Amino acid sequence: NAGVTQTPKFQVLKTGQSMTLQCAQDMNHEYMSWYRQDPGMGLRLIHYSVGAGITDQGEVPNGYNVSRSTTEDFPLRLLSAAPSQTSVYFCASSRPRHEAFFGQGTRLTVV
Amino acid sequence: AQTVTQSQPEMSVQEAETVTLSCTYDTSESDYYLFWYKQPPSRQMILVIRQEAYKQQNATENRFSVNFQKAAKSFSLKISDSQLGDAAMYFCAYRANSGGSNYKLTFGKGTLLTVNP
Repeated sequence: NAGVTQTPKFQVLKTGQSMTLQCAQDMNHEYMSWYRQDPGMGLRLIHYSVGAGITDQGEVPNGYNVSRSTTEDFPLRLLSAAPSQTSVYFCASSRPRHEAFFGQGTRLTVV
Repeated sequence: AQTVTQSQPEMSVQEAETVTLSCTYDTSESDYYLFWYKQPPSRQMILVIRQEAYKQQNATENRFSVNFQKAAKSFSLKISDSQLGDAAMYFCAYRANSGGSNYKLTFGKGTLLTVNP
């Protein structure tokens, strides 16, 4: 039972670099989301998807891009990393009207 | 927009004692879920307990129980017989069940719980 798998767990980027955070789930969940966690801010929604081929913006989408070509995968792309994107990133998946399951998070530092 | 407020940034409790974490929320919806998630130092988000708004009975999971006051929009978490492993950040979260918003969790800012031996 892998659940929600995020890679990598840690990453250091230089300002201006791009990268992709990977997220995969094996529970056949329709919904997938990306959140970022900053000290004193709780978790805030970046982007979400309600099914393959359907994505939309959350509260803090600027600087991030997503796509969902399969039910299982929902990668998050940082187009040009900035120090303000230093954060812990969580991927989550769920079925409608059910609780969300989270990956183990990615700690990203942009220097 | 829905908001979730946790008014206690930090709490502490003695081992084996009981502690209550507070959460209030604001919504105009009538059909929604409320959750408490635990985040230990490992960073993993772990579901502790959930409550459906249309159920009047308070949810219970072993040593964890909630006091759900729908009219007051209050959703507190009670931890009984606290254990050292309960030390973590606790997040209260809300999710509407209506079609337009049922993908999104809205989180409070968290309460850091310390358990003293």
